[in-house]
Amino acid sequence: EPEVTQTPSHQVTQMGQEVILRCVPISNHLYFYWYRQILGQKVEFLVSFYNNEISEKSEIFDDQFSVERPDGSNFTLKIRSTKLEDSAMYFCASAGQAIYSNQPQHFGDGTRLSIL
Amino acid sequence: RKEVEQDPGPFNVPEGATVAFNCTYSNSASQSFFWYRQDCRKEPKLLMSVYSSGNEDGRFTAQLNRASQYISLLIRDSKLSDSATYLCVVQSGAGSYQLTFGKGTKLSVIP
Repeated sequence: EPEVTQTPSHQVTQMGQEVILRCVPISNHLYFYWYRQILGQKVEFLVSFYNNEISEKSEIFDDQFSVERPDGSNFTLKIRSTKLEDSAMYFCASAGQAIYSNQPQHFGDGTRLSIL
Repeated sequence: RKEVEQDPGPFNVPEGATVAFNCTYSNSASQSFFWYRQDCRKEPKLLMSVYSSGNEDGRFTAQLNRASQYISLLIRDSKLSDSATYLCVVQSGAGSYQLTFGKGTKLSVIP
């Protein structure tokens, strides 16, 4: 079964540094998402991406964050000037080929980001 | 504000038991509904979509009541492998495809 893959599985970074989290969505999917989950809390939406541009973003997704699809396969989340509160599990998700209801999103196994 | 509220956990049940989880959502414009399961420190995995007429997948049955903005999940004949956190998830549609997650209900199936 096709999967969403994420790298690295764990990233440890000093506060103030930049990090790039990488995702390879399922190959024929067109809609891409980033979510995060702070330990013990619920999964929260960050941003969605379609047709090479952001289609939605949450209030969490401020100027510190950016996303990019640099080639036909990778989808990246960049966090500039990381803060302690950015420590969380970051999940990438992708969804299928057409816009219709009840279209589930498939999640990668996440990157655990630890800010020291 | 879009919210999804779930039963507080944890639910501790013996193998073979039937267990039900409930969920309510605040956004009446929501169009798509899902149950995901999440194992400890793992990614959410789709368990099943929830359809207006209700639907069943093996031991799992999901129901949706749009008038009450209420979703349920019933698990029959619980297995040890069903132990996980069950996430109620709502998608508003109408141009918005972000998922809104509940905090989840933890299930432990005991031998």
